[in-house]
Amino acid sequence: EAGVTQFPSHSVIEKGQTVTLRCDPISGHDNLYWYRRVMGKEIKFLLHFVKESKQDESGMPNNRFLAERTGGTYSTLKVQPAELEDSGVYFCASSPVRVQPGNTIYFGEGSWLTVV
Amino acid sequence: AQTVTQSQPEMSVQEAETVTLSCTYDTSENNYYLFWYKQPPSRQMILVIRQEAYKQQNATENRFSVNFQKAAKSFSLKISDSQLGDTAMYFCAFMIKAAGNKLTFGGGTRVLVKP
Repeated sequence: EAGVTQFPSHSVIEKGQTVTLRCDPISGHDNLYWYRRVMGKEIKFLLHFVKESKQDESGMPNNRFLAERTGGTYSTLKVQPAELEDSGVYFCASSPVRVQPGNTIYFGEGSWLTVV
Repeated sequence: AQTVTQSQPEMSVQEAETVTLSCTYDTSENNYYLFWYKQPPSRQMILVIRQEAYKQQNATENRFSVNFQKAAKSFSLKISDSQLGDTAMYFCAFMIKAAGNKLTFGGGTRVLVKP
């Protein structure tokens, strides 16, 4: 069974440009999460989808970040325009359909974003 | 707000020896879960071990065990008989039972197992 896959694995863009990160969750997982780790800091929650609906987007830093999950399958996270402080690793994770506390959450390898 | 603190940025250990990673957290909640995740270099982050706050017995998974001290809000991870494949970043994380699956992470501890 394929795990959570993220694309691209690495991206270097200039300040002001746009980047779109993609996440394919494990098949059948209705819950999809985005987290990010800015260099030297903790991994921070960004948002949570249940199918195509945003369950919790309290961690989204500002309106330059847009997450979508059309059709409830893969998700994209777009940063537009990118700023230097957006550099970091963006993790996607998924978990099974029932939101039972303690469900194992499966993480992807992360997408490394560098804004120069 | 919940916080998780890992006070050791890096640790090294000789192969076959034991290493203990510290984690403390702060919360006013009573029902929660604690986790240790491992991220090897260029690999996915995977769950190592999970502890439910209402269980007094410390969780164990093979060579990995925790020392959960609820009153002290401490959740340390012990890796016994360390292997080269244990080299990774280790993250302590916290989840409130009533808040779905939202994780709060510590800053991570880099563990290097030396041959």
